[in-house]
Order: sequence, then structure tokens, then C-alpha cells
Amino acid sequence: EAQVTQNPRYLITVTGKKLTVTCSQNMNHEYMSWYRQDPGLGLRQIYYSMNVEVTDKGDVPEGYKVSRKEKRNFPLILESPSPNQTSLYFCASSHTGTGLAWGEAFFGQGTRLTVV
Amino acid sequence: QKEVEQNSGPLSVPEGAIASLNCTYSDRGSQSFFWYRQYSGKSPELIMSIYSNGDKEDGRFTAQLNKASQYVSLLIRDSQPSDSATYLCAVNTGFQKLVFGTGTRLLVSP
Repeated sequence: EAQVTQNPRYLITVTGKKLTVTCSQNMNHEYMSWYRQDPGLGLRQIYYSMNVEVTDKGDVPEGYKVSRKEKRNFPLILESPSPNQTSLYFCASSHTGTGLAWGEAFFGQGTRLTVV
Repeated sequence: QKEVEQNSGPLSVPEGAIASLNCTYSDRGSQSFFWYRQYSGKSPELIMSIYSNGDKEDGRFTAQLNKASQYVSLLIRDSQPSDSATYLCAVNTGFQKLVFGTGTRLLVSP
């Protein structure tokens, strides 16, 4: 089954404690990205990756890091989480080889993060 | 001006009616457009994509694109209570960047 898998689904942590949210896809997609979703603000892109070892900032990258060492995995790292990073996070992947259709993204189940 | 704008709703329609969801975008160079459906507490799922002016139909769903007016719409015919969800419009404003609207909440009453 084609899927994007995020872990954990729920996480409560304390300010300053480093955490990693994992994302893995089994569709051999080149493009992967991370979004956060907040009420009234919609989905905003944090980071994206065009392929292995190629990453770039999205609209709200401050406080986040990513890496793409393997094609299937794209972890999101919060080195020192703060309460304003409390949000619902989604990982997504898509195939870039078909030109305009790369926006046809598959989303993971989401990770609800609370930083206290 | 937001890059992608949608009315937040809720848009309430009775079962069996046509639901019309609208989206405007600001970047004239945008080339591809998508509608995602998101049920409460779930992840977005793609329901329609459209790349050229005109209409594209898929079952009960029709996407409409007017690049001159920078306008995208989604029509849902014979609306069902199971269609109740938030509908997100997404626009490819250039390679590597997909911008989402804040979504329109649709409520279909039995």
C-alpha cells in the first residue's frame, strides 16, 4: 500500500528538549516536504527536499532542521522546541517526474505536537 | 494580499444540492491547481487537479479554472453528508512551491 508514515502521532514535550519527527514514504517519490497547520493560518511549508541531499527552506523554517540522507526518509528536527511550535505537522511526498503534477501530494497521518 | 484565498465558511448545503467552493490566487504565473479534502483530525487528500482553463470532471466533482480571472472553483454535485469536510485549494506558484489556502468548511445536512 502506497503511504507516507509519520511518527509519533502525538507528542507532548518540554521547552528546549530536542525532538525528531520521522517521515517515510514507500512510493519512491523525489519530492518531500514538511508543513505545519495552525487554525486560521492553513498549511504552511517548513522545509522541502527535491531529492537526496537537496533541501531548502519553505515559508516558516525558523526553529526547524531537516535532512535527506535516503530517498524514502525526511525527518524533521526541533533542536530547542518552544511553545510557539505547538502545532499539527504533516509530511508529504510527490513524484516530480511528471511536470505540473508534482503538486499531487500524498500526506502522512500528521503529528500533533504540544510544547509546554 | 494572500497568495491563495478561500472563504472560510462554513458553507451549508442540504443533501442532494450542489456545493460550490471558490478560490482566488495572486500569482499570474501559477500553472497547476489542486483541491484537497481534509476531514476533521485527518490529513489532506487530493481529490482534483487541473492544469488548463475550463472544466474537469471526475464523478460528482468538477474543477473549474479561469486563469484570466485567477479563479479556481470546485463543484460537488449531489452533495452527501460524507462530503462534510474542509476543502483546501492549493496552487503551484512555481516549481518547488505549493501554496495552500486556509480552506473552506463544507457542511452537508441530511
